Amino acid sequence: DIQMTQSPSSLSASVGDRVTITCRASQAIRNDLGWYQQKPGKAPKHLIYGASSLQSGVPSRFSGSGSGTEFTLTISSLQPEDFATYFCLQHNSYPITFGQGTRLEIK
Amino acid sequence: QLQLQESGPGLVKPSGTLSLTCTVSGGSISSSSSYWVWVRQPPGKGLEWIGTIYYRGNTYYTPSLKSRITISVDTSKNQFSLKLTSVTPADTAVYYCARHDWVGTRNFDYWGQGTLVTVSS
Repeated sequence: DIQMTQSPSSLSASVGDRVTITCRASQAIRNDLGWYQQKPGKAPKHLIYGASSLQSGVPSRFSGSGSGTEFTLTISSLQPEDFATYFCLQHNSYPITFGQGTRLEIK
Repeated sequence: QLQLQESGPGLVKPSGTLSLTCTVSGGSISSSSSYWVWVRQPPGKGLEWIGTIYYRGNTYYTPSLKSRITISVDTSKNQFSLKLTSVTPADTAVYYCARHDWVGTRNFDYWGQGTLVTVSS
């Protein structure tokens, strides 16, 4: 199985800050990675596909990068609605696996 | 706009069988570009992929649950279903169904709202 190690597990930041979240894969997964945002009591929302492509309707302050084993999600200028939990997902091979999540909190 | 909706009992007794159905609307479950997945999330924890099915019946299951899972599809009703046998309190979770876009984004792009299933006597 491919393990996805996500860091940090939690992060405190302020509106307007730039934040970066990282996912590392236990083996190379090309760019077969997506990023998701989840708010309490809601289903995850898909943000990024192919490691760096923005899903339709997602604000451009979100960006992704990486390939192989190391990936990052960057939010360039935090907005109040961005405080949520973020997950990465690898779909390179079965079983599909998620990162453990990063909880982004208001400082 | 594709919509997915989970349905099923919210309470299951230990050693019993958890049965959920996902109804797809706004699109066909027989789309060649779509796979259909189940994901769960224990309270306060992360997401776990359970399994995937294609409309032709091809299935893929997570190894840790494989002996207890059956995922099936009913194209006539535009539904797919999950059965999990011999449940324990550790199976208590919010269960989500989702679409895996196999051709475009290759990600889980549409999700149901989720349904909480509690395993308790």
